Amino acid sequence: DQQVKQNSPSLSVQEGRISILNCDYTNSMFDYFLWYKKYPAEGPTFLISISSIKDKNEDGRFTVFLNKSAKHLSLHIVPSQPGDSAVYFCAASGGTGTASKLTFGTGTRLQVTL
Amino acid sequence: DAGVTQSPTHLIKTRGQHVTLRCSPISGHKSVSWYQQVLGQGPQFIFQYYEKEERGRGNFPDRFSARQFPNYSSELNVNALLLGDSALYLCASSPQLGTLYEQFFGPGTRLTVL
Repeated sequence: DQQVKQNSPSLSVQEGRISILNCDYTNSMFDYFLWYKKYPAEGPTFLISISSIKDKNEDGRFTVFLNKSAKHLSLHIVPSQPGDSAVYFCAASGGTGTASKLTFGTGTRLQVTL
Repeated sequence: DAGVTQSPTHLIKTRGQHVTLRCSPISGHKSVSWYQQVLGQGPQFIFQYYEKEERGRGNFPDRFSARQFPNYSSELNVNALLLGDSALYLCASSPQLGTLYEQFFGPGTRLTVL
């Protein structure tokens, strides 16, 4: 049962344009959402997060939008840079007491072309 | 400052064998979590430890066990290895429990079971 879904396995965007990565979730107990970025041979690196009490969070070139009614979140990267090429994972947590278990999606591979 | 470190980097075992993976958290971090990432999938939660106590367990068989030591480092043990245990095993540390505390991931241990 995939509780966090990233339906696009890959995405190619031109440098300078906007990259939009999407994520859907099914568990209404999730109350905190995160995006991680992963380069080959490295562990995932935290990028940005959003609490369920917000609908938008911005950090530099990265903005995460949350639509709770649709159980959907998206990550916008503007402008996209070649160094952004990596696998992006959406993750969710919450509803598990004090434990902070993360439930990950399957990832979207972003390629930013020149 | 050193990040999360894991050893070994790579490991090859045969079916039926036992393996021990090690993780050293960031200095000052008291919580350690373990994740399994199978090729083409997102990381899947195995265990979380805090102050040497298990605080969360994912949907993994009893062949998987872990512990946390007084210095907050951790070991993940897998008995009776199966081919399906081949994966990247990631360790993550965070200062405390709770969804608002960012989890920092190590580079992982690549386990191959032949």
